[in-house]
Amino acid sequence: AQSVTQLDSQVPVFEEAPVELRCNYSSSVSVYLFWYVQYPNQGLQLLLKYLSGSTLVKGINGFEAEFNKSQTSFHLRKPSVHISDTAEYFCAVSNQAGTALIFGKGTTLSVSS
Amino acid sequence: DAGVTQSPTHLIKTRGQQVTLRCSPKSGHDTVSWYQQALGQGPQFIFQYYEEEERQRGNFPDRFSGHQFPNYSSELNVNALLLGDSALYLCASSLGPGQGGTEAFFGQGTRLTVV
Repeated sequence: AQSVTQLDSQVPVFEEAPVELRCNYSSSVSVYLFWYVQYPNQGLQLLLKYLSGSTLVKGINGFEAEFNKSQTSFHLRKPSVHISDTAEYFCAVSNQAGTALIFGKGTTLSVSS
Repeated sequence: DAGVTQSPTHLIKTRGQQVTLRCSPKSGHDTVSWYQQALGQGPQFIFQYYEEEERQRGNFPDRFSGHQFPNYSSELNVNALLLGDSALYLCASSLGPGQGGTEAFFGQGTRLTVV
């Protein structure tokens, strides 16, 4: 069975500082990996996805993530955050494109000035 | 493109009642998935519909059922509501198998409160 562990439930950071949100997964088969963002009272928006190929994936809003198969990790990074990045971030995994997503419990990113 | 639309946005029901939530997928998408997101938790997969049939199901009781219509829209039905069913219900649409769909687009969700 697949599972996702987001290692930090809350990450407070100052504006313009770098940030890393950590995600580990477990799966016995090949995986597709995703990061979604959820703003208050809204649905989920895809930030980026890893399907195959280059292990460094770039997404929207300046975010990027690196797939590390040996560490079974898919950490999300941004070199300089903005107040507007304050939101809930979810890491997700599936074993086949278009099938069920298994989500982590989420990481709350709080950016302050 | 209206994206994925869900109705209603908020709903209050009493324990034991039944509820129906509705979802219209993004234009061009033929696959609809439903997720339950309890407060402070990540979304949990309920089931997925493709070609009007349940294609995949998560670990939810039979009280949760669904339907997909020929126009690809979908309904989620929950019978005999429990207090623990209070959650944000998210609908996601995607392209069906073999069409290269790798991304799920989510709606704004329906906030269900059971009292």
